[in-house]
Amino acid sequence: DQQVKQNSPSLSVQEGRISILNCDYTNSMFDYFLWYKKYPAEGPTFLISISSIKDKNEDGRFTVFLNKSAKHLSLHIVPSQPGDSAVYFCAVLERAGGTSYGKLTFGQGTILTVHP
Amino acid sequence: DSGVTQTPKHLITATGQRVTLRCSPRSGDLSVYWYQQSLDQGLQFLIQYYNGEERAKGNILERFSAQQFPDLHSELNLSSLELGDSALYFCASSVTRGSEQFFGPGTRLTVL
Repeated sequence: DQQVKQNSPSLSVQEGRISILNCDYTNSMFDYFLWYKKYPAEGPTFLISISSIKDKNEDGRFTVFLNKSAKHLSLHIVPSQPGDSAVYFCAVLERAGGTSYGKLTFGQGTILTVHP
Repeated sequence: DSGVTQTPKHLITATGQRVTLRCSPRSGDLSVYWYQQSLDQGLQFLIQYYNGEERAKGNILERFSAQQFPDLHSELNLSSLELGDSALYFCASSVTRGSEQFFGPGTRLTVL
């Protein structure tokens, strides 16, 4: 039972254009969401996060949008650069208390390729 | 560089053996987490420690155990290794249990 889903295994984008990566979750109690980028043979790198009290958070070229009613979040990268080519994971940080507090649950990842 | 260090980077061992993976968190971080990334399961949470105490457990096998020491570094012990334990093992740390986690470079374990 996957609680966090990234339905697109891969995305290909031209340099300078917008990259949009999508993520769906199942539990309406989730309230903190994160995006990580991962290069081969390296650990995930934290990119940006958003709390459920917001619907948008920006950090430079990266913007995360949260649609709570649809249980959907997306990461926008504008403009995309070849160095952005990596695997992108969305994740939910459980903060509702109990024995799972602090646990990150990841989606399966989307491979982004940005072509020069 | 996240500030989280992990050793060794690679580990090759045989079935039935026992290994220890080590993690040093970022300076000031009290929480340490262990994750496993395998080809078929993706990134899976194993266990969490906060200031020396176990606080959360995921799908961690009974053959696996961990601890966090007074200097806050952590070790993950894997015993009676099986072929299916071959994976990348990541350590992460955070200031508090409810904040962003920063990952180390991982240890690639190969069980032959």
